[in-house]
Amino acid sequence: AQSVTQLGSHVSVSEGALVLLRCNYSSSVPPYLFWYVQYPNQGLQLLLKYTSAATLVKGINGFEAEFKKSETSFHLTKPSAHMSDAAEYFCAVGNTGRRALTFGSGTRLQVQP
Amino acid sequence: DGGITQSPKYLFRKEGQNVTLSCEQNLNHDAMYWYRQDPGQGLRLIYYSQIVNDFQKGDIAEGYSVSREKKESFPLTVTSAQKNPTAFYLCASSARRTSGGQETQYFGPGTRLLVL
Repeated sequence: AQSVTQLGSHVSVSEGALVLLRCNYSSSVPPYLFWYVQYPNQGLQLLLKYTSAATLVKGINGFEAEFKKSETSFHLTKPSAHMSDAAEYFCAVGNTGRRALTFGSGTRLQVQP
Repeated sequence: DGGITQSPKYLFRKEGQNVTLSCEQNLNHDAMYWYRQDPGQGLRLIYYSQIVNDFQKGDIAEGYSVSREKKESFPLTVTSAQKNPTAFYLCASSARRTSGGQETQYFGPGTRLLVL
């Protein structure tokens, strides 16, 4: 069984401030972890993916995430928020056993000018 | 351009009516998926298909049906048995799994289904 918890359904930051979106997972086997971004009324776009090659994963648009096995976490960060980062972000977990992904409930990021 | 297309963008269903959502991909992906998205609940898996002429139920398959007659197409029918169909429906696809890997899923733009 696998599950994902995203802490904070809404996060608000000022433009230029650090972005931190939290994701904790549960998986009975080594996980593969993903962050996706969704803009209003659109599909999901892959930001980054962890596949066990490196614990710090760099993605598009300046985002990165660090896999911490001891904390079962995969938090998403960006050093400096931009207005265009305002969107909903989803963390997802997969594994070699179950082909489909399990998604968290999402975090809506607001960026204040 | 390779990608996933979903149509229509908006769909209205009357009581007791079956409606079909289209999903087509030209990425040559083997696997395709349907997810339902409700506010505050993330994405939930409805059905998925790993190869042509084969598909499996996901977590919330009741009231839905699918077919996979062609590699490129994976239509979803929302039947009259689905009592709360209002949601945003997302189709995704992924390539053939490599040994020990978890392939990335790529998503279409979605269809919003509304009940009249």
